[in-house]
Amino acid sequence: EVQLLESGGGLVQPGGSLRLSCAASGFTFRSYAMSWVRLPPGRGLEWVSVISSSGGGTYYADSVKGRFTISRDNSKNTLYLQLNSLRADDTAVYYCAKDRDGDFSSDYWGQGTLVTVSS
Amino acid sequence: DVQMTQSPSTLSASVGDRVTITCRASQSISTWLAWYQQKPGKPPNLLIYRASTLESGVPSRFSGSGSGTEFTLTISSLQPDDFATFYCQQYNSYSRVFGQGTKVEIK
Repeated sequence: EVQLLESGGGLVQPGGSLRLSCAASGFTFRSYAMSWVRLPPGRGLEWVSVISSSGGGTYYADSVKGRFTISRDNSKNTLYLQLNSLRADDTAVYYCAKDRDGDFSSDYWGQGTLVTVSS
Repeated sequence: DVQMTQSPSTLSASVGDRVTITCRASQSISTWLAWYQQKPGKPPNLLIYRASTLESGVPSRFSGSGSGTEFTLTISSLQPDDFATFYCQQYNSYSRVFGQGTKVEIK
């Protein structure tokens, strides 16, 4: 059974940093691209970042480019998102998601971790 | 960058109704489009990929169509479990863009 478990969320002050983790199990992690998607309160889903299966390709939404860094450790079956220079509008539930085999849609999602940026 | 525009933003419907949600892309995306359903407090659930392919385990009352810039999600007979927010998503290897969402409410 595919499982994705996010952790690392919490309350952080504006300008602060956090690192989110997503522990994967139930599939061959190193074979799939992985994404981060967020849901701000009262708003719609926003794609944040994607990383290729090898980790050699990383891409970001314009809203987080230069502030967030996606990475992965295929030996630990874990995906990461480093959040720096956080702003109030980064407040959201952050989900990790697995790419569907042979496609770039997301077929499995974690339950999410809440990041709150506030003083 | 591709922009995705969904309509309507909110839809009020009754159980048994046929429901259609539209998604327009600002440029052609071929059939690189997915539809997701999200309920409060839960992660999104993939319904349709490649514009018209039903994900395994998704009820057949859901269907998708379209290519290029115009896409639709249809629910043939709305069920009580279907009241939720639906999102379209354009995707490729380096970018994923969501529409703003359509909330389907009970009439």
